[in-house]
Amino acid sequence: GDSVTQMEGPVTLSEEAFLTINCTYTATGYPSLFWYVQYPGEGLQLLLKATKADDKGSNKGFEATYRKETTSFHLEKGSVQVSDSAVYFCAFRLTQGGSEKLVFGKGMKLTVNP
Amino acid sequence: EPEVTQTPSHQVTQMGQEVILRCVPISNHLYFYWYRQILGQKVEFLVSFYNNEISEKSEIFDDQFSVERPDGSNFTLKIRSTKLEDSAMYFCASGSGGKTQYFGPGTRLLVL
Repeated sequence: GDSVTQMEGPVTLSEEAFLTINCTYTATGYPSLFWYVQYPGEGLQLLLKATKADDKGSNKGFEATYRKETTSFHLEKGSVQVSDSAVYFCAFRLTQGGSEKLVFGKGMKLTVNP
Repeated sequence: EPEVTQTPSHQVTQMGQEVILRCVPISNHLYFYWYRQILGQKVEFLVSFYNNEISEKSEIFDDQFSVERPDGSNFTLKIRSTKLEDSAMYFCASGSGGKTQYFGPGTRLLVL
């Protein structure tokens, strides 16, 4: 069935370290891809998205490229900050068949230390 | 910037009791959703709602659950007779028909 597989954390990094969070998906159709972030005590916020193959989503120094050939949407940031400490969720939504639901990964908790 | 709001932020209830979780979606959005996240598990889709009716629901959304848009601004999720396994964070989301859904901060429900 449709699913998202994410790197499992938790992960602790030092400030200015490079971050990669792997995400792969299994979908019966052609999905739009998303990264959501949940800061402590807050709800899910859209971080970035990509809607077709080879699109790159970017926001707040984070990037992810839609790779259809590897069914992946890995999140990267070149230099993390303490304020990036949060839980990161990869998700997709199918664009055919009328379904609107988002399918989420388990989330990965990132802690960035000064 | 407009945002989705949810009340209450936390709710504790006894097993078998009814609970109503409330959401105020972004004002010009027409599509509404509920998701839940059991502690340590994935965020799971429950239901989507458009044009005053359910457009899609998951197998989790059984007869114990219902949704309603009682007026022009609120969107509610009712659990008729809560079970221990209903304990979770419940997220409301809304969208304007594009691909992006905007989430509220969640209601943490604890069933004792």
